[in-house]
Amino acid sequence: LAKTTQPISMDSYEGQEVNITCSHNNIATNDYITWYQQFPSQGPRFIIQGYKTKVTNEVASLFIPADRKSSTLSLPRVSLSDTAVYYCLVGDIAVSGSARQLTFGSGTQLTVLP
Amino acid sequence: DSGVTQTPKHLITATGQRVTLRCSPRSGDLSVYWYQQSLDQGLQFLIQYYNGEERAKGNILERFSAQQFPDLHSELNLSSLELGDSALYFCASSPRMGSYEQYFGPGTRLTVT
Repeated sequence: LAKTTQPISMDSYEGQEVNITCSHNNIATNDYITWYQQFPSQGPRFIIQGYKTKVTNEVASLFIPADRKSSTLSLPRVSLSDTAVYYCLVGDIAVSGSARQLTFGSGTQLTVLP
Repeated sequence: DSGVTQTPKHLITATGQRVTLRCSPRSGDLSVYWYQQSLDQGLQFLIQYYNGEERAKGNILERFSAQQFPDLHSELNLSSLELGDSALYFCASSPRMGSYEQYFGPGTRLTVT
């Protein structure tokens, strides 16, 4: 599994765009990049997944440069309710049929201030 | 609401006891994953099942076991409980085997006294 590095914490203000970057220098060819959000005492929530370039959904955008050694989760116009821990995961979809373990790491604690 | 259900929400039991946690995956999802989250360990992958078969094991203790039934619901059995087993236990399901796109349930909070 590719090792990921994220900032431990970030602060932002309501209405701002927040970008959380994840470094994954040893990402493999088959690896996808997946982001989760977790509120205290709740299960992680799948946010977005991508392989290259840019992926956008109704919640966030994921930017992946050509070398794929990093990725950036972009949250537009955050609100207080976006305060949570955000996890970056890197690994391959089970193309061989064998399951992969997920390692969530410590994540990034995002605090949105009023 | 992820569509994954877990019961019970809370469980308080004594050391040495055995408990069973239950999970129902999202409709159509064949893969079920179990995770343990404690304050000092973060989110730890325990075990995965796909369509009734065990597919991967993570940091699961020998005192713990799981199974997935023909209706795809899964149970995690924890025995000879210790104080250190107190944690949140999450179940997740995914539409593809081994996928990183997983949908988590609300969790079961286990307290061992």
